[in-house]
Order: sequence, then C-alpha cells, then structure tokens
Amino acid sequence: SQTIHQWPATLVQPVGSPLSLECTVEGTSNPNLYWYRQAAGRGLQLLFYSVGIGQISSEVPQNLSASRPQDRQFILSSKKLLLSDSGFYLCAWSWGTSNNEQFFGPGTRLTVL
Amino acid sequence: SQQGEEDPQALSIQEGENATMNCSYKTSINNLQWYRQNSGRGLVHLILIRSNEREKHSGRLRVTLDTSKKSSSLLITASRAADTASYFCVGSGNTPLVFGKGTRLSVIA
Repeated sequence: SQTIHQWPATLVQPVGSPLSLECTVEGTSNPNLYWYRQAAGRGLQLLFYSVGIGQISSEVPQNLSASRPQDRQFILSSKKLLLSDSGFYLCAWSWGTSNNEQFFGPGTRLTVL
Repeated sequence: SQQGEEDPQALSIQEGENATMNCSYKTSINNLQWYRQNSGRGLVHLILIRSNEREKHSGRLRVTLDTSKKSSSLLITASRAADTASYFCVGSGNTPLVFGKGTRLSVIA
C-alpha cells in the first residue's frame, strides 16, 4: 500500500531563517507530487506540483521554492522566511494526471515569528 | 481553473439530520471530487463523480453533478458528530486541482 510522510509535524521559525520541509511517498513510483499551503480560515493554495524528477511547476510567485531530487521525494524550501509564510503545509500525491484523486500527507504547521 | 466554490461556508446541524453542501465551478471538467478535512489534518478523498455521471452514492454520501449548471451537491444522510469537518469540492481537468475554502460542517450531538 502507499503511504505519504511529511516532517516535521510542527515548526516554529524566526523571520529571515531558512526552511526545509520534506515529503516522501512509499509504495508507488513516478507519482505526481503537490505542495499546498492553507492559511487560517482559508482554502488550499497550490504552491508547486511535479510530474517527475527535476520537473517543478510553480503556481504562484512567492518566497518559496520546491525541488524533487528523487522520484518519491518532494522538498519545500525558503532561504528567508517571512511572517506571511506561516500556515499549514500539505503535501499530496496522485497517480498520473490531475484527474485522479489526491492522497494527502498529515501536514506541517509552520509558525513564523 | 477548475476551482470549486462551496456553499454555504458554514453549516451547523443536529446529529441524525441530513447535511447538504453545494459546489459551483467555472470551467469544463473531466470529473468532480469531494474531500474532507478534519481540523489540523490532511484532506481525505471522499468520492469522485465523472462528468458523464449525474449521481453517485457511497455509504451515507450522495453526490449529484449538473454539468449544464456547473454545480454539484454533497448530501450526508443521518449525520453523526464524527462528520464534523470541512468539506471541499474540486473539479479536475487538464490542470492541477484548485481547492476552494470549503464548507465547515458542525454536527451537534
């Protein structure tokens, strides 16, 4: 069976510090991978998606970047965090195209102080 | 984009009652999906209805799709306190899924 892991579960970081959130998927190969952010009381905002190793599409301009160094690893990064980067970050995967259901990880709660 | 917009934003009902949530979208879709999110957790896929389907059932869930009106509804029958969560709809096509703000459902025991 397939599982998706995210870590850390919670993170408190000062403004200006770097960020690295990791997401890994087990039990499948060549998944589509997604990073979402959910601010308090808001919907999910798609940040990045990837259809393969080294292939990253950015949906919105922002202070964040993503990388996919391995088939089942997706990393969300920032060189200098802003207060507005606070939120709940969710990683998800799907088979093939976006027509298929997505499977979400447990999320990372990021607070930037 | 195929972003779904849920209505109402919040819904509060008594346990045992039925809950109906609506969804509208703007562009053509291949299918429409409903997800559920418990507070502070990831989303869980509930049901997918294809564009050529009009109604679909899964347990206590009933989903309808009207492509002419670009709308869908999710009915949860005989609600339970454990159904308390946020519910999101999203239409999917050739671009990545775009989620709306969801409907916050509170089921009071």
